[in-house]
Amino acid sequence: EVQLVESGGGLVQPGRSLRLSCAASGFTFDDYAMHWVRQAPGKGLEWVSGIRWNSGSIQYADSVKGRFTISRDNAKNSLFLQMNSLRVEDTAVYYCAKDRLATSGLFDSWGQGTLVTVSS
Amino acid sequence: QLVLTQSPSASASLGASVNLTCTLSSGHSSYAIAWHQQEPEKAPRYLMKVNSDGSHIKGDGIPDRFSGSSSGAERYLTISSLQSEDEAEYYCQTWDTGMGVFGGGTKLTVL
Repeated sequence: EVQLVESGGGLVQPGRSLRLSCAASGFTFDDYAMHWVRQAPGKGLEWVSGIRWNSGSIQYADSVKGRFTISRDNAKNSLFLQMNSLRVEDTAVYYCAKDRLATSGLFDSWGQGTLVTVSS
Repeated sequence: QLVLTQSPSASASLGASVNLTCTLSSGHSSYAIAWHQQEPEKAPRYLMKVNSDGSHIKGDGIPDRFSGSSSGAERYLTISSLQSEDEAEYYCQTWDTGMGVFGGGTKLTVL
């Protein structure tokens, strides 16, 4: 059974940094692309960033480009999101999502999410 | 730029069927999409992938009551024999030029 468990969320002041982690199990992690998706309170889903199985291709939404960095450690079956220069509008539940394939861009498993609150 | 359009809301009676629609913007009618369900206060759950030819691949454990189909630029999610637990937000999702794209979601109410 695929399991994705996010951690690292919390309350942080504007301008500060936070690092999210996603621990994956139940599948061969390095066979699949992985993504971060967020959901602001009362809003819809927003794709944040994606990384291919071998980290050879990385993409970001315009809203986080230059501030967020996605990475993965295939030896530890882990996905990360380094969030710098956080803004109030980054407040959201952040979900880790597994791609259906190495590069398809369609997601077929989700974690339970971790809440990031950016506030002074 | 690819846009996915969904109606904000839909409703149907317990035991009835409902079709939810996701429309791909012009020039993108060949794209496959994924449907995801999000119950209140829960994480999203993958339902299925729907291809442009109408074929679909469901996720593990998704009941037979859920099916997908296509017509042109429209991708459909059909839920039959509606149950109270089907009341949720439904999102379509795809990928284009290095970016993930979500529709705005359809809130389904089971009457």
